[in-house]
Amino acid sequence: AAGVIQSPRHLIKEKRETATLKCYPIPRHDTVYWYQQGPGQDPQFLISFYEKMQSDKGSIPDRFSAQQFSDYHSELNMSSLELGDSALYFCASSLKDTQYFGPGTRLTVL
Amino acid sequence: EDQVTQSPEALRLQEGESSSLNCSYTVSGLRGLFWYRQDPGKGPEFLFTLYSAGEEKEKERLKATLTKKESFLHITAPKPEDSATYLCAARTYKYIFGTGTRLKVLA
Repeated sequence: AAGVIQSPRHLIKEKRETATLKCYPIPRHDTVYWYQQGPGQDPQFLISFYEKMQSDKGSIPDRFSAQQFSDYHSELNMSSLELGDSALYFCASSLKDTQYFGPGTRLTVL
Repeated sequence: EDQVTQSPEALRLQEGESSSLNCSYTVSGLRGLFWYRQDPGKGPEFLFTLYSAGEEKEKERLKATLTKKESFLHITAPKPEDSATYLCAARTYKYIFGTGTRLKVLA
């Protein structure tokens, strides 16, 4: 069965640079979620989209933005990167209640 | 405030030693209780969804149960490959994750 695809899997950036993470949800899933997970922490909800419209917003910094495109893929844009942004970023998609997670993008900010 | 608490934080078991992980929740309007398994550096892998008190679901050595205040993940005769972090999440209008239980099963 198709799963959630995320790219890139690993990303290294310098402070103050910009990063773009991509997420391709499971086909026919109508909701996409973005999470940030630091070492030893639970996933922290950032933002979600339902049918290409922002549906909920969590603890997403103003330096971050996201959108969902007509083909349902989503992108998380991160600007003015800080050392503290180093984390695993997960995308999840759902059709009803159950979220299915992608493999994540490991972002390292140097 | 909606809250999900998991206990214990960490658990070490001998292979074959059954145990239970706890997920206590205080939320308004529960729309589902989810269990995930997460291996280091990987995305959470879906295990179970429970919707109403009294509901039970099983998969291999795992069994999840739900009451009005908590959920349990019972692990029967665990094997070393069951070692992982187990996360629960409660859904209201949003998803609230617990901090997980790190399970280590020793051969």
